[in-house]
Amino acid sequence: EVQLVESGGGLVQPGRSLRLSCAASGFTFDDYAMHWVRQAPGKGLEWVSGISWNSGSIGYADSVKGRFTISRDNAKNSLYLQMNSLRAEDTALYYCAKDYQYCTNGVCYDWSYFDYWGQGTLVTVSS
Amino acid sequence: EIVLTQSPATLSLSPGERATLSCRASQSVSSYLAWYQQKPGQAPRLLIYDASNRATGIPARFSGSGSGTDFTLTISSLEPEDFAVYYCQQRSNWPLITFGQGTRLEIK
Repeated sequence: EVQLVESGGGLVQPGRSLRLSCAASGFTFDDYAMHWVRQAPGKGLEWVSGISWNSGSIGYADSVKGRFTISRDNAKNSLYLQMNSLRAEDTALYYCAKDYQYCTNGVCYDWSYFDYWGQGTLVTVSS
Repeated sequence: EIVLTQSPATLSLSPGERATLSCRASQSVSSYLAWYQQKPGQAPRLLIYDASNRATGIPARFSGSGSGTDFTLTISSLEPEDFAVYYCQQRSNWPLITFGQGTRLEIK
């Protein structure tokens, strides 16, 4: 059974830093890209960042570029998000999500959709 | 950035009725569009990928269609457990992934 368990959220003051972690199990972690997706209270979903299986490809939403850093440790089956210079608008539930790999018409894709999600860790940025 | 606009914002229907949800992209995303369902207090669930393919374990009453900029999620006959918020998501513009703002499907 695939499990994704996020941790590291909490209350932090504007301008400070926080590091989120996601512990993965139930699948071969280093075969898959992984992502962070957030959801502000009562709002919709926002993709934050993604990282390929070998960390060779990384992407960020414009809203976090230059402030957040995604990383992974395949030996520990873990995904991380280092969040610096936090702002009030970063307040959200942060989900770790597994990338959906699939093949169609002989072509295989990743960095596509999200087939498994954790339950999220809440980050609140407030003074 | 590709913007996804979902309509309507809220849809009020009764169990047994047919639901039609729309997602429009600001530029073509080919067929690289997914639909998710999210219930209160839960993580989203992947329903449809590549516009029309049901994900594993998704009931046949859920179907997706469209390509380019206009997409539709159809629920043929609503079950009580289908009332939730639905999001579309595109993956056409690597590495940037974007979601629509959501459609709330509520019981009439």
